Amino acid sequence: QQQVKQSPQSLIVQKGGISIINCAYENTAFDYFPWYQQFPGKGPALLIAIRPDVSEKKEGRFTISFNKSAKQFSLHIMDSQPGDSATYFCAASFSNTGNQFYFGTGTSLTVIP
Amino acid sequence: NAGVTQTPKFRVLKTGQSMTLLCAQDMNHEYMYWYRQDPGMGLRLIHYSVGEGTTAKGEVPDGYNVSRLKKQNFLLGLESAAPSQTSVYFCASRLDWGFVYGYTFGSGTRLTVV
Repeated sequence: QQQVKQSPQSLIVQKGGISIINCAYENTAFDYFPWYQQFPGKGPALLIAIRPDVSEKKEGRFTISFNKSAKQFSLHIMDSQPGDSATYFCAASFSNTGNQFYFGTGTSLTVIP
Repeated sequence: NAGVTQTPKFRVLKTGQSMTLLCAQDMNHEYMYWYRQDPGMGLRLIHYSVGEGTTAKGEVPDGYNVSRLKKQNFLLGLESAAPSQTSVYFCASRLDWGFVYGYTFGSGTRLTVV
């Protein structure tokens, strides 16, 4: 059973556009939601993370929007650049155990010039 | 500071062969993890360790064994490789609790079992 559902599977965006990736979860006990960015041949790298006590977190061009009632969170990449082309994974975790992140299935983002 | 180092980077095994994947971290992290990454399935946890001398099963532990004899090293073993274990394997480590406690991942090991 997939604990975290991610969509879309792939995304193509024009340079300068907004990329939006969505994730949904069922377990309301999750309390930490990170996003990871992975380039080909590399391991995933932490991009940005949020706790459910806030509805939005912004770091540069990257923003997480969190909707606790809908059990959904999304990553917005503003002014998308070709260098943002990568695979993005959302994840969820319980901070009281801290032992495992449950990952979404990933979104392959391509930003075309 | 190398972070998390995985060896080897690539390996081809024949069905039934055994091998060990090595993960080493130099950040004094307590927690270490082994994930496998398969197309369309994201990252799935195989085994993890919360400290030296400890190991625990994750979501997909069958066919794998692990050991954490030293804090900085976490070994993943395949006793009798099967084609279903063809995957990219990632090791990760994490320092401790706190708000920002994301993983640091290694660069992966691409394993093909023929």
